Amino acid sequence: DAGVIQSPRHEVTEMGQEVTLRCKPISGHDYLFWYRQTMMRGLELLIYFNNNVPIDDSGMPEDRFSAKMPNASFSTLKIQPSEPRDSAVYFCASSFGTGSSGNTIYFGEGSWLTVV
Amino acid sequence: GENVEQHPSTLSVQEGDSAVIKCTYSDSASNYFPWYKQELGKRPQLIIDIRSNVGEKKDQRIAVTLNKTAKHFSLHITETQPEDSAVYFCAASFPSNFGNEKLTFGTGTRLTIIP
Repeated sequence: DAGVIQSPRHEVTEMGQEVTLRCKPISGHDYLFWYRQTMMRGLELLIYFNNNVPIDDSGMPEDRFSAKMPNASFSTLKIQPSEPRDSAVYFCASSFGTGSSGNTIYFGEGSWLTVV
Repeated sequence: GENVEQHPSTLSVQEGDSAVIKCTYSDSASNYFPWYKQELGKRPQLIIDIRSNVGEKKDQRIAVTLNKTAKHFSLHITETQPEDSAVYFCAASFPSNFGNEKLTFGTGTRLTIIP
């Protein structure tokens, strides 16, 4: 398996523009996670899905952020409108099980977002 | 609430010496504690984990210890090598309001091995 695949790897956009980040989890994994990484706050869990259903979105910072998982092999994280403080690395990750029960969480390479 | 504190934020050690990174967690119900390593520009990857029914686990030069009473756990790297330079994240499982558990990560430790 190629692992968790994310796109784009790098994106620079202007404030106010819509940003869509994409993720393909590892085949067979039933959990998908979106994390945001910044120097100040480290790795923050934004939202996670189980069998394509959003379970916990309490980490989503505000209504400008939304995530979908239309099927088992694809998820998107959308920011609309984007702001400079959204600049971060966004990681998608997947696991078989929640990751908290001993099932390894596998991370993608990350999407490096810069909002100017 | 869920909280994982990690110290130090940066650590420099001479090659061959040992490095220790410490984490504390807030919920006594936490029962799974993984450690992830993130090399510069790369993805975090699991290097070792420990469950609450074990006090110590070792894998070659890496070991993790857990003190459930004090709610803290530590990563120990012995005989450090240049390739150990990376950011290390601890994590702890927390019961979710949604019937399962989720991981909360510490803020990371940037480890630099000085040749």
